[in-house]
Amino acid sequence: DSGVTQTPKHLITATGQRVTLRCSPRSGDLSVYWYQQSLDQGLQFLIQYYNGEERAKGNILERFSAQQFPDLHSELNLSSLELGDSALYFCASSIRDRGLFHEQYFGPGTRLTVT
Amino acid sequence: AQKVTQAQTEISVVEKEDVTLDCVYETRDTTYYLFWYKQPPSGELVFLIRRNSFDEQNEISGRYSWNFQKSTSSFNFTITASQVVDSAVYFCALSEEGGGADGLTFGKGTHLIIQP
Repeated sequence: DSGVTQTPKHLITATGQRVTLRCSPRSGDLSVYWYQQSLDQGLQFLIQYYNGEERAKGNILERFSAQQFPDLHSELNLSSLELGDSALYFCASSIRDRGLFHEQYFGPGTRLTVT
Repeated sequence: AQKVTQAQTEISVVEKEDVTLDCVYETRDTTYYLFWYKQPPSGELVFLIRRNSFDEQNEISGRYSWNFQKSTSSFNFTITASQVVDSAVYFCALSEEGGGADGLTFGKGTHLIIQP
């Protein structure tokens, strides 16, 4: 158990809908990262938040957005869903203090199926 | 741009054999970090090791060992005396220090099958 929690575990929805995925980082970790794992694209970095502020963007679509709240949990919002958005979405967290780099610990993932 | 290549899509060996998973990376940064993660059939991603670019010392942890060679931009992973529980997809990943962004760039993964 990495200490990172994600809800829900599974999500099935229809095209055009909007969903929210939730992540709670490990206790003490300030950085939260979101990744998407799909068969054709592999594991891709989407976005990073550090202590409530957006830190970096990867291959995140404009239809997707995220935020990190004062209690450090994070939500990933996916809207106008398409069949191709079906994937496993991971949240990861790390301490990531200034000048130091720490490994990222991953949550169990949310499997999103768009029908 | 950073890139990680895991040329071996799938490897199948018989239990107790040694197996090496290859990882080749590309980066323009002089400071970077390399990782290996394991994804068992249950789906979670399990952290195995982190290596800093300025530390080329190889590492051994039980049956696992890692060989980092900057000269060939490789960070290979060897499992000695493999066991069925080692069956999983293994990912090599890279993160550059520059820019303050820490998103990992993953390879496509190597599916390791250990047959009893």
